[in-house]
Amino acid sequence: AQRVTQPEKLLSVFKGAPVELKCNYSYSGSPELFWYVQYSRQRLQLLLRHISRESIKGFTADLNKGETSFHLKKPFAQEEDSAMYYCALAGGLGTPLVFGKGTRLSVIA
Amino acid sequence: GAVVSQHPSRVICKSGTSVKIECRSLDFQATTMFWYRQFPKQSLMLMATSNEGSKATYEQGVEKDKFLINHASLTLSTLTVTSAHPEDSSFYICSAFTGTEAFFGQGTRLTVV
Repeated sequence: AQRVTQPEKLLSVFKGAPVELKCNYSYSGSPELFWYVQYSRQRLQLLLRHISRESIKGFTADLNKGETSFHLKKPFAQEEDSAMYYCALAGGLGTPLVFGKGTRLSVIA
Repeated sequence: GAVVSQHPSRVICKSGTSVKIECRSLDFQATTMFWYRQFPKQSLMLMATSNEGSKATYEQGVEKDKFLINHASLTLSTLTVTSAHPEDSSFYICSAFTGTEAFFGQGTRLTVV
């Protein structure tokens, strides 16, 4: 069964501090992993995907197949990073996304 | 990026009536759209996969006769909540796949009174 686990409901950090949002997944094959972000009063939008191996807004995420993890990291948090972050998994191109419960990141000035 | 538009963004209806929610891909064609439901402070739960020109595929536990999905064109999918009850009150979100990425609508807040 496909499952995405985000253990933290809320993560509060000070501005300039490092951030790590945890995500673990369960999937029998080779999944595609994503991070989506939802800013206040805005729609869900893609932040990054593991196959791109890119950095968006200073965030990076590395897929660790051994630990079945896809943690989201940023070395220096900014106030505008405050949002709801969802880790998601897809079994293949065009297949529906399975979401974790989300982590609310609050960056304190 | 691509734009997915949902309408209405908010609707209140009486118990027993039906409500239709539209999901449109504005600048691309989507053979596949997905409908999610989100309860307060919870994650998005996939309800069904909407396929253009064919029947929708519903997830286990989702009543297909209650949540009617129609995907009559490559840019429009509709979700009709039939005989709505207060427990159907929720946030409904659609997603359309461009071929490389899924884009989301702004969501529809349904309140059944």
